Amino acid sequence: AQSVTQPDIHITVSEGASLELRCNYSYGATPYLFWYVQSPGQGLQLLLKYFSGDTLVQGIKGFEAEFKRSQSSFNLRKPSVHWSDAAEYFCAVDPPGGSYIPTFGRGTSLIVHP
Amino acid sequence: KAGVTQTPRYLIKTRGQQVTLSCSPISGHRSVSWYQQTPGQGLQFLFEYFSETQRNKGNFPGRFSGRQFSNSRSEMNVSTLELGDSALYLCASSLIGTANNEQFFGPGTRLTVL
Repeated sequence: AQSVTQPDIHITVSEGASLELRCNYSYGATPYLFWYVQSPGQGLQLLLKYFSGDTLVQGIKGFEAEFKRSQSSFNLRKPSVHWSDAAEYFCAVDPPGGSYIPTFGRGTSLIVHP
Repeated sequence: KAGVTQTPRYLIKTRGQQVTLSCSPISGHRSVSWYQQTPGQGLQFLFEYFSETQRNKGNFPGRFSGRQFSNSRSEMNVSTLELGDSALYLCASSLIGTANNEQFFGPGTRLTVL
């Protein structure tokens, strides 16, 4: 069965610092990969997704993610964090070719210090 | 275009009662998925409806059920509530419900079971 691991439960960064959130997946083939953000009291918003092609994916709000097949990873990055980026971040995977039933990671809570 | 709306936003019930949650998808979206989010289990897929038919189902007991109407609005019902059913229930809609179709999430219904 596919699984998603987000090793960091919490990450604290200073405003303006760079950010990398880790995501590793376990699946036989390359699944579809997603990153979502959830602000307090809100639903999830899609930041970016990877299906195939260029392994560096650009998303909204200045985020990007890099797919590394050899490491089964899909890490999320941002060069300079803003206080408004404080939220919960979820990585999700979905097997290609099927309906959208993603498996979500447990989430990483991002805390931004001024 | 209006986003996904969920009603009610907050709900308090007691054990043994039943509850119905409602989700109105984005206009034109035919796929509606439901998720349960808890601190202990994270985000878990409940079921997906497409054109009034349940197309996919997660690993939840039969106490959890749903339906979709001809206008794509969806309801989920939980009977014989248990304390462990306390969670944020998220609804998401997409055009046709495949991985390359972005899901749009509502803000959720926070259910507390006492």
